Amino acid sequence: EVRLVQSGLEVKKPGESLKISCQASGYKFVSNYIAWVRQMPGEGLEWMGIIYPSDSSSSYSRYFQGQVTFSADESINTAYLQWSSLKPSDTAMYYCARQHDSGGDSFDFWGQGTMVVVSS
Amino acid sequence: DIVMTQSPDSLAVSLGERATINCKSGHSVSYNSNNKNYLAWYQLKAGHPPKLLIYWASTRAFGVPDRFSGSGSGTDFTLTISSLQAEDVAVYYCQQHFSTPWTFGQGTKVEIK
Repeated sequence: EVRLVQSGLEVKKPGESLKISCQASGYKFVSNYIAWVRQMPGEGLEWMGIIYPSDSSSSYSRYFQGQVTFSADESINTAYLQWSSLKPSDTAMYYCARQHDSGGDSFDFWGQGTMVVVSS
Repeated sequence: DIVMTQSPDSLAVSLGERATINCKSGHSVSYNSNNKNYLAWYQLKAGHPPKLLIYWASTRAFGVPDRFSGSGSGTDFTLTISSLQAEDVAVYYCQQHFSTPWTFGQGTKVEIK
């Protein structure tokens, strides 16, 4: 069974750094990229970008380029999303999602989401 | 960026009745070379992650009930729930993966009348 399990709620102050995780199981981790999707409070879904666990190459939406960093550790089937200096506007739910095996760039399995709250 | 516009923003449907959600893209999301529409539909229930319902505009994802169907091509797409069940209360999103940045519609909230 394919599963993506994300790390838990984070409450941080502006300017702090953060790294959240998405651990995959039930499939060959390097075979599908992992996408990150943001949902701000009361808003819709925004695609942030993708990372290929096979070589850790990434492609960022220009709206998130330079604001976040993706990484992956193939040895523990885990992808990461990190910030070096959080802002209150980073408060959101963040989802990881797996590239569909045969559905182009749709996302067939999603993590449960990590809520990030940034407040002084 | 390809702007995805859904309509309506919300709708209330009686149990057992049909619910129809429209999604219009600002640019065609179809490739003539392979005749595929790069359009997916997701269901987002409160407290749950998004769930893929439909990909390639009309292919149901594994395990999705057949009351859910997708149609359309080019710039105009539709998600239909043929007989609304209580568990279908959710927000539904379309997504284009024709060109990056991949973009979602603003969402359509489906409620029981």
